[in-house]
Amino acid sequence: AQSVTQLGSHVSVSEGALVLLRCNYSSSVPPYLFWYVQYPNQGLQLLLKYTSAATLVKGINGFEAEFKKSETSFHLTKPSAHMSDAAEYFCAVSWSGNTGKLIFGQGTTLQVKP
Amino acid sequence: SAVISQKPSRDICQRGTSLTIQCQVDSQVTMMFWYRQQPGQSLTLIATANQGSEATYESGFVIDKFPISRPNLTFSTLTVSNMSPEDSSIYLCSVDRTSGTNEQFFGPGTRLTVL
Repeated sequence: AQSVTQLGSHVSVSEGALVLLRCNYSSSVPPYLFWYVQYPNQGLQLLLKYTSAATLVKGINGFEAEFKKSETSFHLTKPSAHMSDAAEYFCAVSWSGNTGKLIFGQGTTLQVKP
Repeated sequence: SAVISQKPSRDICQRGTSLTIQCQVDSQVTMMFWYRQQPGQSLTLIATANQGSEATYESGFVIDKFPISRPNLTFSTLTVSNMSPEDSSIYLCSVDRTSGTNEQFFGPGTRLTVL
């Protein structure tokens, strides 16, 4: 069965520091992978997605993620954190032929300290 | 992308009552989804709603508790029936408008509190 694991429910970084949010997936078929961000009291916004093209994916707000099949990972990074990056981040997996269903990880709360 | 609105944005309801949540999309879509996000938790898919057919429910969710309508290609409703405090959650609808990549766009959510 397909699943997603996000390591670390809370991540705290200083402003200007590297952001690394970890996501590992389990899929028996080639996956589609997504990172969504949820700001307080808002819906989900797509940061970036991997759909079998380039393994290094660039998204909005300076975020990027690299698909590593050998490690079954899709970690999210940003070179320099801003205070405005503080939010909840969700990794999600889907796959071709599954009627569009998304399976979400548990979420990681990113705290950015001044 | 897609512009998705939900009504109401939030509500406080009494135990035993029902609430219907509306989801409106700015263009026609085939697939619409309903998710639940319990306090401090991730998103869990309740059901997939395709126009012209019965909704498909995920394990742990039943039609009697969460009836869904999909009368046309731009609109859907989710009803939370006979509510209890455990139903207090954010309910989100989403749509898939992409050609085969399963990317979903989400509405702003409905924050439900059951007393």
